[in-house]
Amino acid sequence: EAAVTQSPRSKVAVTGGKVTLSCHQTNNHDYMYWYRQDTGHGLRLIHYSYVADSTEKGDIPDGYKASRPSQENFSLILELASLSQTAVYFCASTTGNYAEQFFGPGTRLTVL
Amino acid sequence: LAKTTQPPSMEAYEGQEVNVSCSHTNIATSEYIYWYRQVPHQGPQFIIQGYKDYVVNEVASLFISADRKLSTLSLPWVSLRDAAVYYCIVTVRGSALGRLHFGAGTQLIVIP
Repeated sequence: EAAVTQSPRSKVAVTGGKVTLSCHQTNNHDYMYWYRQDTGHGLRLIHYSYVADSTEKGDIPDGYKASRPSQENFSLILELASLSQTAVYFCASTTGNYAEQFFGPGTRLTVL
Repeated sequence: LAKTTQPPSMEAYEGQEVNVSCSHTNIATSEYIYWYRQVPHQGPQFIIQGYKDYVVNEVASLFISADRKLSTLSLPWVSLRDAAVYYCIVTVRGSALGRLHFGAGTQLIVIP
């Protein structure tokens, strides 16, 4: 079973502050993804990465940066957190079958 | 990418078989059909995928119409643990273009 972990599991941040969400996978997957989910809605893709040291923009990248320092780790960075970024953030990884993704447990971010 | 349409919610009693439908009238020949489910406070979990006809695994079965415009996820003998949001996703398999687009999904309510 694929293992994807996220930290922290929840966080409260202040508007204008910097937030870093971390994701770690132990399955040697090349592909990693960051999604956000707003209450009552489906997930939306923020950033993704095919290989270490490279990231790509997803469908809603504005206000977010991503970093992939190694195959196992993928971070999502909010340089200036805003109220609208309050959401649950999910990390996922996959191998050759890009649509069969393995998700982490999520990080609940509240920006005040 | 093909858009999908699902009923917003369904109810079923424990022990019943549940069929969740998904319409994807503009599905392309390169696209596959994937089903995920998400229980509260967890990330989505892959259930099953298919291209045409009928697919079955240990969790569910998937029927795809001959013209591939409609698919039905079948869950036999649902239990309270099956209460979740079920997402139907159509995307290209094994391609960098194969990104997951989550709609609102179908909320399955299981009645004891």
